[in-house]
Amino acid sequence: SQQGEEDPQALSIQEGENATMNCSYKTSINNLQWYRQNSGRGLVHLILIRSNEREKHSGRLRVTLDTSKKSSSLLITASRAADTASYFCATGGEDGQNFVFGPGTRLSVLP
Amino acid sequence: SQTIHQWPATLVQPVGSPLSLECTVEGTSNPNLYWYRQAAGRGLQLLFYSVGIGQISSEVPQNLSASRPQDRQFILSSKKLLLSDSGFYLCAWSVASLPVNEQFFGPGTRLTVL
Repeated sequence: SQQGEEDPQALSIQEGENATMNCSYKTSINNLQWYRQNSGRGLVHLILIRSNEREKHSGRLRVTLDTSKKSSSLLITASRAADTASYFCATGGEDGQNFVFGPGTRLSVLP
Repeated sequence: SQTIHQWPATLVQPVGSPLSLECTVEGTSNPNLYWYRQAAGRGLQLLFYSVGIGQISSEVPQNLSASRPQDRQFILSSKKLLLSDSGFYLCAWSVASLPVNEQFFGPGTRLTVL
């Protein structure tokens, strides 16, 4: 089955530093998405990248996708304490109605 | 604009008791609807999804069931709760398109079974 798996499981950085999280998956996808979850809350969609795209930007977020390696990375530049959250990747299949979420990366940005 | 509601926000239930969690969506028609469960500090496990009224797909065998009595209403139920049913339950919706793009999540229900 297609399964996003993020690494690292946990990441702790200082405010102002960049944070990079990675996601690997197993099968062909149509798109890959990154979501953010604050503790005890619902998930919020951050960015979607399609299988024919290699890189996408949104504000301080930069996502790359390498379909040959079945991997993606999320880069948060100039991190802030408010970026502290769990980040999940989710893969959308070519003909599926749903996604598969990875276990997430817990990011802590220290002031 | 579209909004998604879930209730209750928290719930503590004894083992063996019934369960009913409700999710409603406003501002859109014929959405895909989803129920996920999240164990503490873990990722999301898809439990059920629905592409229309009365159409329910189950992803994993379990003690739970789902129903979609109206276009924008999705209900998660159990006749007898188990300890292992504890977790954070999230409802989500997406535009009914292939492939599915963005999912919009509700605030979640934290269920504790004692």
